[in-house]
Amino acid sequence: DAGVTQSPTHLIKTRGQQVTLRCSPKSGHDTVSWYQQALGQGPQFIFQYYEEEERQRGNFPDRFSGHQFPNYSSELNVNALLLGDSALYLCASSLGSLQAHTEAFFGQGTRLTVV
Amino acid sequence: AQSVTQLDSHVSVSEGTPVLLRCNYSSSYSPSLFWYVQHPNKGLQLLLKYTSAATLVKGINGFEAEFKKSETSFHLTKPSAHMSDAAEYFCVVSDRSGGYNKLIFGAGTRLAVHP
Repeated sequence: DAGVTQSPTHLIKTRGQQVTLRCSPKSGHDTVSWYQQALGQGPQFIFQYYEEEERQRGNFPDRFSGHQFPNYSSELNVNALLLGDSALYLCASSLGSLQAHTEAFFGQGTRLTVV
Repeated sequence: AQSVTQLDSHVSVSEGTPVLLRCNYSSSYSPSLFWYVQHPNKGLQLLLKYTSAATLVKGINGFEAEFKKSETSFHLTKPSAHMSDAAEYFCVVSDRSGGYNKLIFGAGTRLAVHP
């Protein structure tokens, strides 16, 4: 089992550009959540995808968008990049259970640097 | 709204001495709580989770945490620190206010272990 895989591992972009990050969930998982972890802070919830639809969203602007494919993999897109978007972006996969104790498995993240 | 507060941003211990990482939570209902660990350049790994089955929860690598409702605390402990325990630790609560589960992270505690 490969676990949660993210690509690329590192990325450098210029202000104003657009970026796409990718995530493949753990085998058997159907729910993908994205988190942003700024330097020295805890991860912040961006949004969650289930059955190819965004089912909840955190406090992030519309510049952040996503997609989930039929195979449950997911993309995170960020438009009009700002310097403040520099962070580690983490993908977490889980089963679509409504149980509060459902465990989430995290990928190693994509380190995005905006210059 | 659910939240967690990690009371120490940095903790330093000597190898072989006990570890205590403190976490207080705020929840309007019976919470599901987790501790995750993040080693440098690695993803988040679940150490343990509390789901109301037992107040003392045992996790991996000798860690355990005790849920104390009267104190709204969920502190992480380990009897004897090992050099490999040096990492960032996050206390996490599951938030269902949007109808679905998302994780709310504390700011993190960086654990340093000295020989």
